[in-house]
Amino acid sequence: TQLLEQSPQFLSIQEGENLTVYCNSSSVFSSLQWYRQEPGEGPVLLVTVVTGGEVKKLKRLTFQFGDARKDSSLHITAAQPGDTGLYLCAGAYAGGTSYGKLTFGQGTILTVHP
Amino acid sequence: KAGVTQTPRYLIKTRGQQVTLSCSPISGHRSVSWYQQTPGQGLQFLFEYFSETQRNKGNFPGRFSGRQFSNSRSEMNVSTLELGDSALYLCASSSQTGSSLKEQFFGPGTRLTVL
Repeated sequence: TQLLEQSPQFLSIQEGENLTVYCNSSSVFSSLQWYRQEPGEGPVLLVTVVTGGEVKKLKRLTFQFGDARKDSSLHITAAQPGDTGLYLCAGAYAGGTSYGKLTFGQGTILTVHP
Repeated sequence: KAGVTQTPRYLIKTRGQQVTLSCSPISGHRSVSWYQQTPGQGLQFLFEYFSETQRNKGNFPGRFSGRQFSNSRSEMNVSTLELGDSALYLCASSSQTGSSLKEQFFGPGTRLTVL
C-alpha cells in the first residue's frame, strides 16, 4: 500500500508569517504535485516536480522535492489571507498499476488571519 | 483552452437509487480519472480511462463503474446508492499516455448527497 503522509493537518497563522507543509512517503515518486483547493471546488494544480532535489518557486511559494524523491515540502513566505485554503500533495508512482492515479495526502487546512 | 467540466454540479438522491455523473476533459486529453473526496478519507482514486479502456481501478465496490466515449468524455455510475456514497466526485484529465503520470487537471466536481 502506497501512503502519503502530509503534515501538519491544520495551520492557523497571522498574516506575514512563514510556514512549511511536509509530504512524506516510504515509496519513490515518479512525480509529485501540489494542489490548492477551495471549498466546493476542484483542486487547482500549483506545481509539478519530477527531478530529485528540484526546487521550484511560484511567487511567495517554494516547492522542494527530496533527493530520493520520497518527500516534498511547500514553503510560503509572508502568508496573506488570500493563501487560505486546503493544500494537497499528490504523488504518482511509476509502474503499470499507476495509470492515471495520483495518491493524495490528507491535506493541510491553512488559515491566514489578517 | 476550456478546463475540465463536470455535470451536474449538485445532486441529491435517496438510498437505493442510481446516479450518472459526466465529465468532459480538456480538449486533446485522452486520459480521464475519477476520484471520490470525503472529509474522512480525503481524495481516493476510483478509476482511469484512456481511449475508451479502463486501465486502472481503485479499491471500490462494483457498484462504482465508468466508461469513456470516443470523444474522451467520460461518465461514472453508482448503483444502489448508500449513505456513505455522499461525497464530492472529481474528474481529472491528463495529456499523458504512458504510465508515468506527471500532472492532472481537475474539474469543479459533482457534490452528491444521498438521503
